[in-house]
Formats: sequence, structure tokens, C-alpha cells
Amino acid sequence: EDQVTQSPEALRLQEGESSSLNCSYTVSGLRGLFWYRQDPGKGPEFLFTLYSAGEEKEKERLKATLTKKESFLHITAPKPEDSATYLCAVQGTDSSYKLIFGSGTRLLVRP
Amino acid sequence: DAGVIQSPRHEVTEMGQEVTLRCKPISGHDYLFWYRQTMMRGLELLIYFNNNVPIDDSGMPEDRFSAKMPNASFSTLKIQPSEPRDSAVYFCASSQHGQETQYFGPGTRLLVL
Repeated sequence: EDQVTQSPEALRLQEGESSSLNCSYTVSGLRGLFWYRQDPGKGPEFLFTLYSAGEEKEKERLKATLTKKESFLHITAPKPEDSATYLCAVQGTDSSYKLIFGSGTRLLVRP
Repeated sequence: DAGVIQSPRHEVTEMGQEVTLRCKPISGHDYLFWYRQTMMRGLELLIYFNNNVPIDDSGMPEDRFSAKMPNASFSTLKIQPSEPRDSAVYFCASSQHGQETQYFGPGTRLLVL
């Protein structure tokens, strides 16, 4: 069964303190791994898609990487506006295009 | 583009009542997905459509739930009768192709008393 586990559940950082969020996945075949950001009361906002091991993508202070078993979301010198829940999801190569989501990491960046 | 549009944004109803949630996908997207988010179970797929045809409804919890997509720009998710355990945030998402990025709407927060 496809499964996604995110850690830590919650993370508190000081502004400027870099860190990484982890997404471990189990899937029979990976079609894509997706990172979303979700603010309270809003829908998930797309950040990145990674398709194969070794792939990396960057956007402002965020960098996503992918291996055969996990993905990391690196946050460099975070700002308070980076505070949100970060969700990881996988799409397998079976016949369904559904996303399997992890439970998310709640990030709080203090000024 | 306006993005995925959902209505209502909030719904409070009493147990036993019928609830209808609505979604307008991004124009040109062929796939439409309905997800439910709860604290206990996170985000879970309920059903998805391709070109207005339901493809995978394995996540629909019970016969009380039904979804339709009468045309490319409109879908509904209906709960009849509603129960307190249906309280959750319901999201609609759309994508241009099945394997491409799914873009989410703002969600409908449902509370069943």
C-alpha cells in the first residue's frame, strides 16, 4: 500500500535558522512527488513536483530534493511569512491519478 | 486565471439534512478531484473525474455520498443524509492531465451538528 510519512510533525525556527523537512514514501512505482504549502483556512498551494531520484528544484528560500525513498524540503534563512503547513504527496504509477498525502509538517518561524 | 472555485466556503447544517458542495475547475483542465481533509485522517481522495466521467470512486465513504460532473466546468458533491462525522473541509482540485500538478480550490468547511 502506498504510504507517505512526514517528519517532524511540527518545527519551530528562529528567523534565519535554516532547516529541513523530511518526506519518506513507499510506493510501488513513483510517477511524481509533490510539495504543497497550506496556510490556515486555505487550500494547498503547489510548490514543486519531482519525478526522479537526484532531481532538485528551487524557489526563493525553498529547495526540494528527491531520492528513491525520501524527499527533503530545505528552507534556507526562513522568514516569518514561511510559517505554514508543508504537505508532501506521491502519485504512483498504478492506474489511478490520486495523490497520497502525508500528514504534513507545521512550520513556525519566529521573528 | 481565477483558479478553482468552490462554494459555499462554509456550511453549517443539522444531521439528516442534504448538503451540496460545488466546484468549478480551471478552464481547460480535464481532470477534477474531490478530497476531504480532517485532523485525524489528513487529506484523502474521495473521487475523481476525467472528461466528466467518474474514474476512481474508491474513496467515497458510503452510499450517502455522491458526485456528479454534468459538464466540463461544474461538479457537485452531495451528502444525503449528512452526519456529524462528515464534518471536515472538502477540497476540489483540477489538473490539465492526470499526471500533472493538481491545483486546489479554497475548500468548503462543513459542520454537521
